Amino acid sequence: NAGVTQTPKFQVLKTGQSMTLQCAQDMNHEYMSWYRQDPGMGLRLIHYSVGAGITDQGEVPNGYNVSRSTTEDFPLRLLSAAPSQTSVYFCASSYLPSSYNSPLHFGNGTRLTVT
Amino acid sequence: AQTVTQSQPEMSVQEAETVTLSCTYDTSENNYYLFWYKQPPSRQMILVIRQEAYKQQNATENRFSVNFQKAAKSFSLKISDSQLGDTAMYFCAFMKHRKAYGGSQGNLIFGKGTKLSVKP
Repeated sequence: NAGVTQTPKFQVLKTGQSMTLQCAQDMNHEYMSWYRQDPGMGLRLIHYSVGAGITDQGEVPNGYNVSRSTTEDFPLRLLSAAPSQTSVYFCASSYLPSSYNSPLHFGNGTRLTVT
Repeated sequence: AQTVTQSQPEMSVQEAETVTLSCTYDTSENNYYLFWYKQPPSRQMILVIRQEAYKQQNATENRFSVNFQKAAKSFSLKISDSQLGDTAMYFCAFMKHRKAYGGSQGNLIFGKGTKLSVKP
């Protein structure tokens, strides 16, 4: 059981480049989300999805796009990378409703550096 | 909007001793969930313990327990018999109960974290 798989683990981009962070889960979870973690800031929600074809913005969505064409995959796209997007990115998923009995499962993160 | 505050950026404890990490939150909701996550140097996010707001009994998981004070909006984590492997960042997190989903849609609000060092 792979759980939540994020690729790549590390990435270095130049300012203005675009890329997609991949997230896949094999638990048939309806809910998927992306967080970014910055030093001294905790984790902040970027975008989330409650099912295929349904996405919504979180706390810090600017500069990122998402889509959910299948239950399993929830890619995060950086359209034009900026140094402010240097961060560690986590994907997480759960059954709905998320709750005490269905907590979030996290991937192992992607460390992104934008120079 | 909900906020979560962890007032201790760093803490240290001697091996085998007990340490308490504090967490307070602000919400107007009556029904919600609270979590403590551990993040070791490996970067993995590990769920340590969880609490439902409508349950008065404090949650316990082996050496980990919480002191949940709903009226004070406080959710502290106590680690007993600290071990070297407990060295990590610890995050307190809040999840709102959403009637539309019969529970919640999963969005977590995190505190900024407490870096715990266990010394031999």
